[in-house]
Amino acid sequence: AQSVTQLGSHVSVSEGALVLLRCNYSSSVPPYLFWYVQYPNQGLQLLLKYTSAATLVKGINGFEAEFKKSETSFHLTKPSAHMSDAAEYFCAVRGVIQGAQKLVFGQGTRLTINP
Amino acid sequence: DAGITQSPRHKVTETGTPVTLRCHQTENHRYMYWYRQDPGHGLRLIHYSYGVKDTDKGEVSDGYSVSRSKTEDFLLTLESATSSQTSVYFCAISEISTIRRNTEAFFGQGTRLTVV
Repeated sequence: AQSVTQLGSHVSVSEGALVLLRCNYSSSVPPYLFWYVQYPNQGLQLLLKYTSAATLVKGINGFEAEFKKSETSFHLTKPSAHMSDAAEYFCAVRGVIQGAQKLVFGQGTRLTINP
Repeated sequence: DAGITQSPRHKVTETGTPVTLRCHQTENHRYMYWYRQDPGHGLRLIHYSYGVKDTDKGEVSDGYSVSRSKTEDFLLTLESATSSQTSVYFCAISEISTIRRNTEAFFGQGTRLTVV
């Protein structure tokens, strides 16, 4: 069955530091993977998605994620954190579950940026 | 932005009363979903629909029912609200075909429901 695990419910980094949010998935091949961001009191917005065309996926706001099949991982990174990156981030996998397309989310990682 | 509207955006209701949340889309997408978001649990699927009058249960469907009489509308009903149903509810839509399988889901702005 498709599932995702996000390691770390809270991550705190300094402004300008590297951001690394971890996601491991369990899915049949091929996995359809997504990262979403949620700013306070808002809905979820797509950051990036894995399309199988390239293992390194670039998204909005300077974020990128690398698909590693051998590690079943899809970690999200940004080289230099900005205060505006403070939000909650969700990794998700989509697949056929009980005969229908469903999107399964991880538990989320809250990112805090320290000045 | 995808055309998804949730109503109401905020609601306070009493225990034992029925509550209906509405999701309206203008994208003509086939799939519609209702999720609830709670701290420490991420988003959990309540019910989903894969077409008009075609609905099925998600992982946390107890106490909820849904209806989809038109492509654009997906209603979530709490039959008799309980305090454990206090949550933020999100509607999502997606369009998936044999050609376009990695299309993302688009989310509404959410409905904050408080059961007192």
